[in-house]
Parts: sequence; structure tokens; C-alpha cells
Amino acid sequence: AQSVSQHNHHVILSEAASLELGCNYSYGGTVNLFWYVQYPGQHLQLLLKYFSGDPLVKGIKGFEAEFIKSKFSFNLRKPSVQWSDTAEYFCAVNAENYGGSQGNLIFGKGTKLSVKP
Amino acid sequence: DVKVTQSSRYLVKRTGEKVFLECVQDMDHENMFWYRQDPGLGLRLIYFSYDVKMKEKGDIPEGYSVSREKKERFSLILESASTNQTSMYLCASSDPDEQFFGPGTRLTVL
Repeated sequence: AQSVSQHNHHVILSEAASLELGCNYSYGGTVNLFWYVQYPGQHLQLLLKYFSGDPLVKGIKGFEAEFIKSKFSFNLRKPSVQWSDTAEYFCAVNAENYGGSQGNLIFGKGTKLSVKP
Repeated sequence: DVKVTQSSRYLVKRTGEKVFLECVQDMDHENMFWYRQDPGLGLRLIYFSYDVKMKEKGDIPEGYSVSREKKERFSLILESASTNQTSMYLCASSDPDEQFFGPGTRLTVL
């Protein structure tokens, strides 16, 4: 079965530190890749997505992610985090033909990021 | 802006009660989803629907059912609530590119 792994459950950083959150998926075919973020008390919202083309994708709030097909990875990065980036981050994959329905996503278990001021 | 609304933010029910969670989207999306979110487990798909009156089981459908009588509304039903169904329930609707989430319903079953 397809799966998504996020390597870190909880990451604690100081402001201005660089961030990289790992995400690996298990599906061998064509995939669409997403990072969602959930700020405290708010609903999940899309950070960025990759469908095709340039494997380096830029999203909102200075985040970017790189798709490396050979490593089945889609790691999220930010050069300098802020206290306001404290949130939970979810990687997700839409594997073509999974579940027979367009838009069906498989989510990782999430990584909590705590940024100390 | 896409809007996905859920009928309640917080709900407290007793074991054995029948529970209805309602979700409405205003963007004419065909696909709608129900997830539960638990600490350390991420989002797990309960059911999804890709058209009116159509439904598909997700990864954890046991103890749940759904109803989609109108395109904009997708209901999750707990026929007989149990304490292990205490969780955060998230509804989403999607276009081909992205899922849009509601604010969630935190359900506590006593």
C-alpha cells in the first residue's frame, strides 16, 4: 500500500535557524506532492504543491520544497524560520489511480515545528 | 475563496448516541472527504465521495457511515458513538489540484 513517511515528529528551532523537514513516499508511479500547514487553532491550508516541471517548488511564506524522484522524497525547506512558523506540517501524496478518485490524498503523520523566539 | 464549513467546532456526546457531523462547501466541488486527526497519527481518511449519492470507504470506515444527498453537503454519521471515536474530524472538498479543509469538529464521546 502507498504510504508517506515524515521523519521527525517534533522539531524545535530558534528563530533565524534553517529548516528542513523530511518526507518520503512509497508509490513508484506518477505522483502529485503537497505540503499542508496547520497553525495553532486554525484549519489546514496548502503551503505548496508539485505536479510537474521544475522540481524545486516555491510556496507561501518563504517555504520551498524539492522533489527528488530517485529518492522518492519531497523535503520542505525554509532558510530562516520565524516564531510565526510554529505549526504542524503535513506532507501528502496524490498517487494517480489511488482510490479511483481524483484528489484523493495520502497524508504523513505530521511534524510539529516549535520556533523559540 | 473556497469555503468549507462544519456544523460544530466542539461536540460532546455520550456512548451509544447517534452523531451527525455536517459539512458544506460552496465551490461546487465534486469530491468531498472526511478525515479524523489524532496526535501522532496524522490524518486518516474515513470516507470520501466523488458525486452525489456516491461514496467510497477510506482507510478507517468502521463505525462510520456517510451521506451525500446534495453536491454541497457531506455528512458523517456515527451510528453508535464510542469513546475511541473521540477525535478531531476534518472535512475537505477538492478540485483537481488541491484539497480545501474546514475548521474541524472536536468530538468528545463520554
